[in-house]
Amino acid sequence: DVKVTQSSRYLVKRTGEKVFLECVQDMDHENMFWYRQDPGLGLRLIYFSYDVKMKEKGDIPEGYSVSREKKERFSLILESASTNQTSMYLCASSLKWLRDREQYFGPGTRLTVT
Amino acid sequence: QKEVEQNSGPLSVPEGAIASLNCTYSDRGSQSFFWYRQYSGKSPELIMFIYSNGDKEDGRFTAQLNKASQYVSLLIRDSQPSDSATYLCAVSDGNNRLAFGKGNQVVVIP
Repeated sequence: DVKVTQSSRYLVKRTGEKVFLECVQDMDHENMFWYRQDPGLGLRLIYFSYDVKMKEKGDIPEGYSVSREKKERFSLILESASTNQTSMYLCASSLKWLRDREQYFGPGTRLTVT
Repeated sequence: QKEVEQNSGPLSVPEGAIASLNCTYSDRGSQSFFWYRQYSGKSPELIMFIYSNGDKEDGRFTAQLNKASQYVSLLIRDSQPSDSATYLCAVSDGNNRLAFGKGNQVVVIP
């Protein structure tokens, strides 16, 4: 079974703090993704990565950065947290194949910025 | 931006009935289609994928794909209270990304 883990289930941070969210997958997947999910807005892609040290902006990258130094690990960084970044953050991974494959999600991190 | 629409509101079905969910997509070139189930407070979990036109059955779930009309549907037969969740439709963009619909909530009434 694919396992995607995230460093924290719940996180409370103050405005202006630098926040690190980490994601690890154990299935040797090439692709990794960071989403945020908000009521009424659905899942929105923040950043994704096809390979180590490679990153691509998603639909809402502003205020975020990412790092992928190892294939199994993909980190999301909030450089200066703001209250509008309070959300559920979901990491996912998928296999790179001839045809787009399903994504497997981690349990999520509910981040509250006060 | 490729769009995936799930327009119907919350769906209430009696236990044992069939729940029917629909999804339309904008990119005619999409090749892969997925249905995810998401329980409240949990992350999405894959329940079905379909690549070819027609029906695909897996237990009580059937996915139906019609590429000419650009829609994909999910049927849940013999609905159980444990099926109460939000169902997300996802469509590939051919570049390893998935576009997700906003989801449909299903409530199975015992």
